[in-house]
Formats: sequence, structure tokens, C-alpha cells
Amino acid sequence: DAGVIQSPRHEVTEMGQEVTLRCKPISGHNSLFWYRQTMMRGLELLIYFNNNVPIDDSGMPEDRFSAKMPNASFSTLKIQPSEPRDSAVYFCASIPRGHSTDTQYFGPGTRLTVL
Amino acid sequence: SQKIEQNSEALNIQEGKTATLTCNYTNYSPAYLQWYRQDPGRGPVFLLLIRENEKEKRKERLKVTFDTTLKQSLFHITASQPADSATYLCALATTSGTYKYIFGTGTRLKVLA
Repeated sequence: DAGVIQSPRHEVTEMGQEVTLRCKPISGHNSLFWYRQTMMRGLELLIYFNNNVPIDDSGMPEDRFSAKMPNASFSTLKIQPSEPRDSAVYFCASIPRGHSTDTQYFGPGTRLTVL
Repeated sequence: SQKIEQNSEALNIQEGKTATLTCNYTNYSPAYLQWYRQDPGRGPVFLLLIRENEKEKRKERLKVTFDTTLKQSLFHITASQPADSATYLCALATTSGTYKYIFGTGTRLKVLA
């Protein structure tokens, strides 16, 4: 299996621009997570989906952030408009069943820089 | 408020020694606790899971303990090697009903040859 795939790996954009991050979970996994990692705050859960339905989006910082999962093999995280404080590494992760004993499989991350 | 604390300062140890990393939490009652390893420029990789009713879990050179009274987990790497150098993250699942893990900020380990 190819593992969790994220694109792009690096994104540099200017303040105010729209940014779209993409994720393909491991085939057969039924839950998907978006995290943001910074030095100051560590790894923060933004939102997670179970069977393509958003279950908990309490970590989404504000209305500028939105996430979708139109099907079991694809999810997007969009930031519009982007701000310099959004600069971070964004990770996508998936798990097989949705049980607390599941292992989370992380993608390689997208490093976002907002100038 | 809920808090997970890992030693934010890097831990340097000599090759061959046992590394011990600490994860302390407050105002949680975790049902499960996981440890992950993260290398620079990569996503975290799962290492071990321990349940609240388990005191200790082992996997090869790794050992995790879970003390729900002290609200602490310890992660040990015995016979450490330079290849063990990485950042180690602990993560707590607060309930078994939904899958939601809260991560600590991680501890950077450097094993010196």
C-alpha cells in the first residue's frame, strides 16, 4: 500500500490567497483526520471524518478553514483567506475502523508558508 | 483545563543507555495512550498503545508504563542507538466511544555515539 498521500508537499503563498491541501487516505480506512503542527502548539487536531461524515470540527480555528470529504478516497482542507499565522505543517492521518485502539497512519505532511 | 506535558527540552543520552521519556497529563481520564515517533520532515509513526487497565507494555527494546493514579506514562528505550534519535509524542484517547486523540508537544531524543 502507498500509505496516506498528501499534496502538495510544500506550499508558499501570499497572505489573502486561497490554499487547498489534499489527502488520499489508505484504501479501506474509514476515518480521516486533519492535524496542524507548529513548534509552539505541537500537533493539534483540526477535524476528523468517519465514513466521510465530519464528526468533530471543534479544532478548526475559525471560519477561514473548511474541510470536505466527498468520498472515501479523498479529502481537502481549504484556507480562505490565508494569513501568516496559518504557516505550519498540516498532516492528514487515517485509521482502519474508528476504534480507539486503532493505529493512526500519518501522511508526510504539507509544509505551508504564508508570506 | 486539560493539559498534556512532555519535557520540551531535548534529552541527550549516551549510546547503550536507557532513555526514559515522560508524559504527564491533568484533567483527563484517558482510556488509551499511544506513543509515536516522528523524524524531521516526516509524519508521526505509531510505536505502542497501552490501555488504562494495563500497567506495562513491551515491544522489543521499547517499554511503556501507564500510571493512572500519578497521571503519567513513561516510555523507555533500552540499549539506545543513534538511530533512535527522533521526537517522541504521546497521545491520549479520552473515551472509547469516539476516536479522538490529543497529542503532547513531544520530546526530542538524541542518542550520542
